[in-house]
Amino acid sequence: KAGVTQTPRYLIKTRGQQVTLSCSPISGHRSVSWYQQTPGQGLQFLFEYFSETQRNKGNFPGRFSGRQFSNSRSEMNVSTLELGDSALYLCASSRGQGFRETQYFGPGTRLLVL
Amino acid sequence: GENVEQHPSTLSVQEGDSAVIKCTYSDSASNYFPWYKQELGKGPQLIIDIRSNVGEKKDQRIAVTLNKTAKHFSLHITETQPEDSAVYFCAASIGGNDMRFGAGTRLTVKP
Repeated sequence: KAGVTQTPRYLIKTRGQQVTLSCSPISGHRSVSWYQQTPGQGLQFLFEYFSETQRNKGNFPGRFSGRQFSNSRSEMNVSTLELGDSALYLCASSRGQGFRETQYFGPGTRLLVL
Repeated sequence: GENVEQHPSTLSVQEGDSAVIKCTYSDSASNYFPWYKQELGKGPQLIIDIRSNVGEKKDQRIAVTLNKTAKHFSLHITETQPEDSAVYFCAASIGGNDMRFGAGTRLTVKP
């Protein structure tokens, strides 16, 4: 069974631009969660999507948004990029909604904002 | 909101020794506690988890204990091997609506 895949793996953007990251969950998994990982703040939960609806949301500004498609694939968008948005963005998939089942993480997308 | 504190931040052990990493949480509503291992260039990988209705869980060389009264849980790795070297994260989920992670422990196992 293929694991969680994320594209692109690396990305360089400049301040003010926007970016879209993609995540394909494990086949049969309907929940996709997004996380931001930085050396200073560690791993922080962004949001969770299940059945094309955002179910839970972390404490991030509205510049961070996402969506989920009918095939459970998910995209995350960050608008008006700031230097502090440089991070490893991870997505994780699980069968059910919430954090009651095992989450499987992808390798992440490393975003550098210049 | 929930705070998860993890100690130590770095841990160096000799191959074959045991390693213990401890985490505390603040919200008594937390009910699911996973542990993740992250190797360089990879995403976190679940190694073991425990739910609030269980006090201890073991999987080969890895065990997790949970003390709900004291609000702390620990990861125990026995007979450590060089391939156990990685960053380990604890996490706590509150009612399935949020997941908070500890700051991570960099474990080094010396051959």
